[in-house]
Amino acid sequence: GENVEQHPSTLSVQEGDSAVIKCTYSDSASNYFPWYKQELGKGPQLIIDIRSNVGEKKDQRIAVTLNKTAKHFSLHITETQPEDSAVYFCAAPLDGGTSYGKLTFGQGTILTVHP
Amino acid sequence: DTGVSQNPRHKITKRGQNVTFRCDPISEHNRLYWYRQTLGQGPEFLTYFQNEAQLEKSRLLSDRFSAERPKGSFSTLEIQRTEQGDSAMYLCASSPGQVQETQYFGPGTRLLVL
Repeated sequence: GENVEQHPSTLSVQEGDSAVIKCTYSDSASNYFPWYKQELGKGPQLIIDIRSNVGEKKDQRIAVTLNKTAKHFSLHITETQPEDSAVYFCAAPLDGGTSYGKLTFGQGTILTVHP
Repeated sequence: DTGVSQNPRHKITKRGQNVTFRCDPISEHNRLYWYRQTLGQGPEFLTYFQNEAQLEKSRLLSDRFSAERPKGSFSTLEIQRTEQGDSAMYLCASSPGQVQETQYFGPGTRLLVL
């Protein structure tokens, strides 16, 4: 089955700095890689996703890069703000994308942005 | 609000009792997923529906768990004879139904079994 490893488990930055979170996955057939942000007491909210036919995707201060050869993908947040503080999860589809879209999640990264 | 909704948001029960949670997906979303999330962990897949058909069940879903989606719209997740180990956040997500599309999560139901 799919295994997703996420690092670091905690990340503390100053406001305005950049933050990078990395994930590796085990199934080379995986083809879809979403990132979710989860605030305390709430469900995960999709912030960006990437499919395997592109290497990078950007949405304002958030970007995701994908290296299919190395089987890893990363979340980049620039010009961090205190409201970016949350738990971030990467995910990939189980069974290499041949299943019905069920996702395997990483262990999460607690991001703290200090004013 | 047209997002995924879940009820109740919180449930406290005593060990051995039965509980039922409800999920209302985004309108016209064919796919509905249930996940479980314990403290400090990412969500773990439990089960999946394509319209009213339950097509996948994780081995995490013991015989005490049952899920339904009778008319292909809302879904219920029932846990019978609850155990303390069932304490977790139960998350529902829906997606439109293409091969691999974004899953939109609800706010979750937090269960505490005493």
